[in-house]
This record gives sequence, structure tokens and C-alpha cells, in this order.
Amino acid sequence: DAGITQSPRHKVTETGTPVTLRCHQTENHRYMYWYRQDPGHGLRLIHYSYGVKDTDKGEVSDGYSVSRSKTEDFLLTLESATSSQTSVYFCAISESGGGLANYGYTFGSGTRLTVV
Amino acid sequence: SQKIEQNSEALNIQEGKTATLTCNYTNYSPAYLQWYRQDPGRGPVFLLLIRENEKEKRKERLKVTFDTTLKQSLFHITASQPADSATYLCAPQTGANNLFFGTGTRLTVIP
Repeated sequence: DAGITQSPRHKVTETGTPVTLRCHQTENHRYMYWYRQDPGHGLRLIHYSYGVKDTDKGEVSDGYSVSRSKTEDFLLTLESATSSQTSVYFCAISESGGGLANYGYTFGSGTRLTVV
Repeated sequence: SQKIEQNSEALNIQEGKTATLTCNYTNYSPAYLQWYRQDPGRGPVFLLLIRENEKEKRKERLKVTFDTTLKQSLFHITASQPADSATYLCAPQTGANNLFFGTGTRLTVIP
């Protein structure tokens, strides 16, 4: 998607290993988000950032950490991957946090992570 | 508990007809409600946002209504086309950075 890229697109990893997913934006948006999407569940927020070095937890943050050292990059780390973290992970960006304008979030194309 | 129900997992409709998708929410008080489209293997794409004090919003062939008393939003696509086939996600927003998603309705427009 224009202005936001996620890497890698696909990853298979072993249980117990650390994994880092990267989200990069070129829009200079203040807000960045990590969601996971699983069958039977809507997208669920893991963590979000409201500025460089400013992050907060979402509804499913256990087992995940994030870092944002630059406006354009937001990293999601699975500290010790488990099979329950097999999912599709989406990064999203927002200029205003949503709602204050007529703009919603812009999502990346996702990372499909399989933990074996 | 909080719940977002998009009451059709799948909806098939004939080309040219109006598709109506329903979103009901429980134990949320959203200030805004957003709708997204998601194609297989892709991220959601923002379509429309409606505020709690707006009853209706339109964009081209799309129309969204928002009834805070019924706790319901309706999403309409008029003159539907096969290219409209996708999954549509309802997303109530209770505040900045608090955007919650339903599981979606998969719409298929049959030529």
C-alpha cells in the first residue's frame, strides 16, 4: 500500500525464538499501530505508538513488545514465539488517531507469521 | 462483554442490486464508526467514517447510516458490481486510537 510497507511478507519460525516484524511509513504520520487478524476474530490491537518513543498497549499485548525510535519505523517483537501467535499481522498509520478528520487508518499489506 | 456483530458472514447479491450490510455493537459507545474493505491477502482499505451526530453519509455509490439508539450501522452499496466483491469490516471507534473491528461480511456480487 502506498506510503506503508511491512517486512517480511511471510515468515516461518520455531517456537521459542524471538521474531521482529517491521513497519515503515513515508507519510510522516504520528500514529502507528500493530494489529493481528485471526479467523473468527476481528482485527485486534496489539500495541500502538503516538510518537517517537511513545507507545501503549492494546487489547492483546501479552507476549509482544514494540519500539519506535524514528517516526517512520515501528517494530513489533515477539519475545519468544508461541504457536498461538501464528497470525497475520497488520501495521496501520493515522495522521490524527482517527475521527478528528474524515480519514481512517491506512493499513499495510500484512505479514503472515507461522510459528511451528 | 463488548461485541461487534456483522450479522451476515457472507452475502450474495445480483449485479446492479443494492447490497446492505449490517453492523450491531454491544457495550460500546462509539463517537465514530468506520467501514473498511478487505480483499484476500491484502490489508483493509478505509471507505467511510461517520460521526455519532451524523445520521447518514454518502460517497459515490456508498451510503452509511449510524443509529446510536439502536447501536447499529448499515452500509449500502448501490448498483453493485462484481468488482465490489470483498469482505467489508465495521469498526466502531470510542476515541483516538481505540478502533475495534468486526469479523466482516464477505460480499459476492454475481454477474
